[in-house]
Amino acid sequence: GQSLEQPSEVTAVEGAIVQINCTYQTSGFYGLSWYQQHDGGAPTFLSYNALDGLEETGRFSSFLSRSDSYGYLLLQELQMKDSASYFCAVRGGAGTASKLTFGTGTRLQVTL
Amino acid sequence: DAGVTQSPTHLIKTRGQQVTLRCSPKSGHDTVSWYQQALGQGPQFIFQYYEEEERQRGNFPDRFSGHQFPNYSSELNVNALLLGDSALYLCASSLFRGTYEQYFGPGTRLTVT
Repeated sequence: GQSLEQPSEVTAVEGAIVQINCTYQTSGFYGLSWYQQHDGGAPTFLSYNALDGLEETGRFSSFLSRSDSYGYLLLQELQMKDSASYFCAVRGGAGTASKLTFGTGTRLQVTL
Repeated sequence: DAGVTQSPTHLIKTRGQQVTLRCSPKSGHDTVSWYQQALGQGPQFIFQYYEEEERQRGNFPDRFSGHQFPNYSSELNVNALLLGDSALYLCASSLFRGTYEQYFGPGTRLTVT
């Protein structure tokens, strides 16, 4: 089976940097994705890591260490609109459309 | 470019009834996956359709079934509804051979009373 652990809540100040961690246990690993979901909204794709290292997309970066079964999402220059839930997810197979297994999510609150 | 659309947006059903939810994938996509998201939880994979066949299935009972049409749209059917089926049902579309990004629709909020 597959399981993912994330902190349930994180609070940070506008303009700051926040890191959301994700540890996973899988029978086979094919990649780690991050999704953002605002209250009442659809999950939206943020980033994907298949290999070790850092992937940067604007203010968001994602890191993966396969040997540690660990990844994180880094959000820089936080804005109020970044208040949302963030999910890490592992792919269930080698195919690009393979099913995703999601963590329970981290609720980020950005304050003034 | 039309994104993923789902209908209806909200639905209230009584225990024991049956429900059908609908999804139209993003233009150009050929694969539809369905997820159930309980309040405060991450989405859970139900099943995936490609070429009108169920390709992968999560840990859901046979009460959950689906269909994919030639135009790639999809339906999720749930029979003999239970109170525990109350959740947000999300449809995600992707290309079977494409990038790793899945595009989610806004979901259907199902309430079973």
